[in-house]
Amino acid sequence: GAVVSQHPSRVICKSGTSVKIECRSLDFQATTMFWYRQFPKQSLMLMATSNEGSKATYEQGVEKDKFLINHASLTLSTLTVTSAHPEDSSFYICSARNVGLAGTGPQETQYFGPGTRLLVL
Amino acid sequence: GQNIDQPTEMTATEGAIVQINCTYQTSGFNGLFWYQQHAGEAPTFLSYNVLDGLEEKGRFSSFLSRSKGYSYLLLKELQMKDSASYLCAVYDSNYQLIWGAGTKLIIKP
Repeated sequence: GAVVSQHPSRVICKSGTSVKIECRSLDFQATTMFWYRQFPKQSLMLMATSNEGSKATYEQGVEKDKFLINHASLTLSTLTVTSAHPEDSSFYICSARNVGLAGTGPQETQYFGPGTRLLVL
Repeated sequence: GQNIDQPTEMTATEGAIVQINCTYQTSGFNGLFWYQQHAGEAPTFLSYNVLDGLEEKGRFSSFLSRSKGYSYLLLKELQMKDSASYLCAVYDSNYQLIWGAGTKLIIKP
């Protein structure tokens, strides 16, 4: 239980294009999902918190018009990197908070998707 | 401010035991997590402590002292596959997850 998937796992795109990344909780409902970014050899950086049915909460310094987040259902959140530039190249990881799924860990545990590696040329 | 400290890097020998420490200063406390992250991969959940004491799970154990703002992750019978970064994270009073920078563990044969 508590499996989170991400698609695609790897994407290469041209500068100026938009890229959509999907995050799905496969066996539980996630009212809250999180989007992180991680540059090589650096810590995880929380970009935004996504709540089902409402607007995402962005961390300071993260452009909400550039990183569009949609959490339309209890099992799906999407991150769209608009007008991507080479400096947006990074490892994007989502996580979903598992509340109440017995036997898979304590409540409030965040389970991570496998990540999406984005390279913008 | 909120802060989590853990060593940047540690080295240990295959078959040995290693203890990775984590100290935290947060506004409130609602639990401490340890995650393992292999290079190029996403973190995976290892353990959760919310009460003082030791939680054992196979070769891995996690300890918490809330009064000292201190936790450690103990890895026994080290295997080469344990080479990874180990991330300490704390939920503050608002259930915001505060992350440490991670400890890179290098296992030598």
